[in-house]
Amino acid sequence: NAGVMQNPRHLVRRRGQEARLRCSPMKGHSHVYWYRQLPEEGLKFMVYLQKENIIDESGMPKERFSAEFPKEGPSILRIQQVVRGDSAAYFCASSPTSTASTTDTQYFGPGTRLTVL
Amino acid sequence: AQSVTQLGSHVSVSEGALVLLRCNYSSSVPPYLFWYVQYPNQGLQLLLKYTSAATLVKGINGFEAEFKKSETSFHLTKPSAHMSDAAEYFCAVSDRKTSYDKVIFGPGTSLSVIP
Repeated sequence: NAGVMQNPRHLVRRRGQEARLRCSPMKGHSHVYWYRQLPEEGLKFMVYLQKENIIDESGMPKERFSAEFPKEGPSILRIQQVVRGDSAAYFCASSPTSTASTTDTQYFGPGTRLTVL
Repeated sequence: AQSVTQLGSHVSVSEGALVLLRCNYSSSVPPYLFWYVQYPNQGLQLLLKYTSAATLVKGINGFEAEFKKSETSFHLTKPSAHMSDAAEYFCAVSDRKTSYDKVIFGPGTSLSVIP
């Protein structure tokens, strides 16, 4: 069973461009979480999605950021008109269920490191 | 609201010495607690988790953590450090007020192992 896949691993954008980050969850996982890690900091929750639904986007900036998890295909985190402050590592995690039971947990991808010039 | 603090942003130990990484949490409900490890330029790997079963939790790579409700702590230990343990360690708490895992991470502790 392949792990959580994220691409690209590294992304460079100039200010004002769009960044599109992809996350393919583990097989059989229908729950996806996105986190942002700023330099020298821990991960901060951004958004939680189930297939075709955004459940909690309380950690997402109100403007320029959006996320989706379509019925088919990977989850996408989209950042429009990027600014230098968006430079960070973006991680997604997937789980088979919504709760951390004794057998379930979130499995993290390797992250996408976004650099905004 | 849930929160996590990790005392010491950088910890150095000698190879073979005890590893102790401190974590304290704040939660208004019985928490789920986690320790994750992050190697350079990689994602997070789960070391262990506490989900209200045994208070002493054993994880991978010889790590263990003890949940102490009275101290609101969940410190991570390993009896003997290896060079390969050098990494960033994150303590985290799950916001069980929701029906899903809204995980709140601490700021992390960078562990260095001196030969």
